[in-house]
Amino acid sequence: NAGVTQTPKFRILKIGQSMTLQCAQDMNHNYMYWYRQDPGMGLKLIYYSVGAGITDKGEVPNGYNVSRSTTEDFPLRLELAAPSQTSVYFCASSSRDRGPTDTQYFGPGTRLTVL
Amino acid sequence: QKEVEQDPGPLSVPEGAIVSLNCTYSNSAFQYFMWYRQYSRKGPELLMYTYSSGNKEDGRFTAQVDKSSKYISLFIRDSQPSDSATYLCAMSSMDTGRRALTFGSGTRLQVQP
Repeated sequence: NAGVTQTPKFRILKIGQSMTLQCAQDMNHNYMYWYRQDPGMGLKLIYYSVGAGITDKGEVPNGYNVSRSTTEDFPLRLELAAPSQTSVYFCASSSRDRGPTDTQYFGPGTRLTVL
Repeated sequence: QKEVEQDPGPLSVPEGAIVSLNCTYSNSAFQYFMWYRQYSRKGPELLMYTYSSGNKEDGRFTAQVDKSSKYISLFIRDSQPSDSATYLCAMSSMDTGRRALTFGSGTRLQVQP
């Protein structure tokens, strides 16, 4: 299994541009998450999904959108990029079978810079 | 006030030392406590999780939870240079709908050979 994969690894955007961060998992996990990690700030939840077709906002959803058309894929869309969105973005997934102690498996991250 | 507070470090220790990493939290609804390890430019990986107050041991690692004080710790015995990483505490409530984790800001640990 590849686990959780993310593309691209790095990206530089200009202010106002848009892009989609891709995330895929091959573990048949129901739950998927997008976090952002700013230096010294820990990880903050942007959006999450409990299954295909079901998504909901996390702590910091403004400026982002998501969709979940399949179990495997959970892309994150940035519209009108702003410097405040410069961060490292992590996608994660977990199974729902074991309850809240389910391990969240993280992808390698996408480093985004908005100039 | 942040829900979860964690000293950012960096914490530098010699090889073989005992390391103590700590987090405090303010939300009494947190029931599940985890420690993630994150190597530089990698995603976090789960190291340990605990549910109840008390200690849980796994090899050189011991996780300790004191719910009455809202304080959790991770101890690393016989620390190795390969333990050099950022350690993130994470917590979750009984809200099974979202399963989201609330993370501390991470403590950067350097183990000097």
